[in-house]
Amino acid sequence: EIVLTQSPATLSLSPGERATLSCRASQSVRSNLAWYQQKPGQAPRLLIYGASNRATGIPARFSGSGSGTDFTLTISSLEPEDFAVYYCQQRNNWPPITFGQGTRLEIK
Amino acid sequence: EVQLVESGGGLVQPGGSLRLSCAASGFTLSSYSMNWVRQAPGKGLEWVSYISSSSGTIYYADSVKGRFTMSRDNAKNSLYLQMNSLRAEDTAVYYCAREDAVANTDYWGQGTLVTVSS
Repeated sequence: EIVLTQSPATLSLSPGERATLSCRASQSVRSNLAWYQQKPGQAPRLLIYGASNRATGIPARFSGSGSGTDFTLTISSLEPEDFAVYYCQQRNNWPPITFGQGTRLEIK
Repeated sequence: EVQLVESGGGLVQPGGSLRLSCAASGFTLSSYSMNWVRQAPGKGLEWVSYISSSSGTIYYADSVKGRFTMSRDNAKNSLYLQMNSLRAEDTAVYYCAREDAVANTDYWGQGTLVTVSS
C-alpha cells in the first residue's frame, strides 16, 4: 500500500499570502496524484488531477507540481474562501486508493 | 447538473447491518465507475470500495473486505453499499463519488452519517 504523507499538518497564513503544501509518497506514483479541498460540512472538491492539471472551474491561483514521490500544491495568493483542509490522493498502485492525512490551512 | 444523493445512514448497534444508497442524476450512471469513500468524525478520507461501470470489477479496502458489498443498478441510476457486521470503527460519513474518464473522482455526494454504537 502506498502511504502519502502531507506536510505541514497545519499551515497558518494570511489572505494574499502564498501557500505551499507538500505531499510525499512512499513509492513512485508517477503523475497519478490528485488534490482535493474540503470545507467544514462539505464533500471534498477535486482541485488538481494528474499532478498538475486544474479541474474544471478551479481558479488559476491553484497549481500543482511534481512527479514520482514529491508533489506540491501552491495557492499563489490566498483568498478568504481558500481556508480549508487539503488532501492528496494517489491511484497509481491500487487498490487501495490512498489519501494523505490532510493539511489544514487556517487564517493567521 | 450532476447530483449524487446518499441515503440510508443512521444509528446501528455493533454487529448490525445497514444498506446505503446513492441516487445519481444529471448524467448516465452506466457510463461511469463509482467509489464509496468514508470519513470518520474529525478524521481524514478513507477509500472503501470501487465498482466499474458494468459491475465487472469490484474492489474493497482491507478494513471492510468480507463485510461490505458494493453493487449498482444502472437502470435505476443507483449505487449501493451493503454493510454487515458493523463495528464502532465503521462510524463515519459515507460519500459516493463518481470517476471521470481518466479515473479522477470528480463529483461527490454530500454524504450520509453511519453511527455504530450500543
